Amino acid sequence: QVQLVQSGAEVKKPGASVKVFCQASGDTFTSYFIHWVRQAPGQGLEWMGLINPFDSSTSYAQKLRGRVTLTRDTSTSTVCMDLSTLTSEDTAVYYCAREAKNPNGGHSKCFDYWGQGTLVTVSS
Amino acid sequence: QSALTQPASVSGSPGQSITISCTGTSSDVGAYNYVSWYQQSPGKAPKMMIYDVSNRPSGVSDRFSGSKSGHTASLTISGLQAEDEADYYCSSYRTSSTYVFGTGTKVTVL
Repeated sequence: QVQLVQSGAEVKKPGASVKVFCQASGDTFTSYFIHWVRQAPGQGLEWMGLINPFDSSTSYAQKLRGRVTLTRDTSTSTVCMDLSTLTSEDTAVYYCAREAKNPNGGHSKCFDYWGQGTLVTVSS
Repeated sequence: QSALTQPASVSGSPGQSITISCTGTSSDVGAYNYVSWYQQSPGKAPKMMIYDVSNRPSGVSDRFSGSKSGHTASLTISGLQAEDEADYYCSSYRTSSTYVFGTGTKVTVL
């Protein structure tokens, strides 16, 4: 079965960077886009960006452009989300999510599998 | 770039039907039939309930249905049950290979 397993909780100081990992299993890693979504405490979902593991192409939310970088390692079926220059406003649960495929094999622009979430706390 | 607009809360009695709206713009909801809906219980990851405006993934109850008119998409829950109490988020594809979520709606079963 498809699983997305994320790395553990992180505590960082303001100004630092954080890397969160998402390891996929149960299907062909390079066939599905991986997205990152975050949720600040008591707040809604915020789309951050996506990576196409096939060719490493990316797309980022305008608000985070320049601070977020997505990379992939095909040998371990892992995607890494790197967020720099952290502030308290980056305190959130970070999720990776897989973009579904439609019956024709095209990308369906919705998210059918999610990781368990990783809490990143930014505090001095 | 703002989020899609949803009502903060919607409530209903068991057995009733409720509808959650999701209003976007001509760059997202109004432009594409790529609206999806997610149910999120406290402390859990979201779960997809509807995709491509009105399609249900396998295993999702047929009490959940979706529609769209112009810039506004809607999720209807029929025969409301206690287990439907959760937060619900819409999402849409937006131009330039980006995506956007709604502000979220808390559903309460009275």
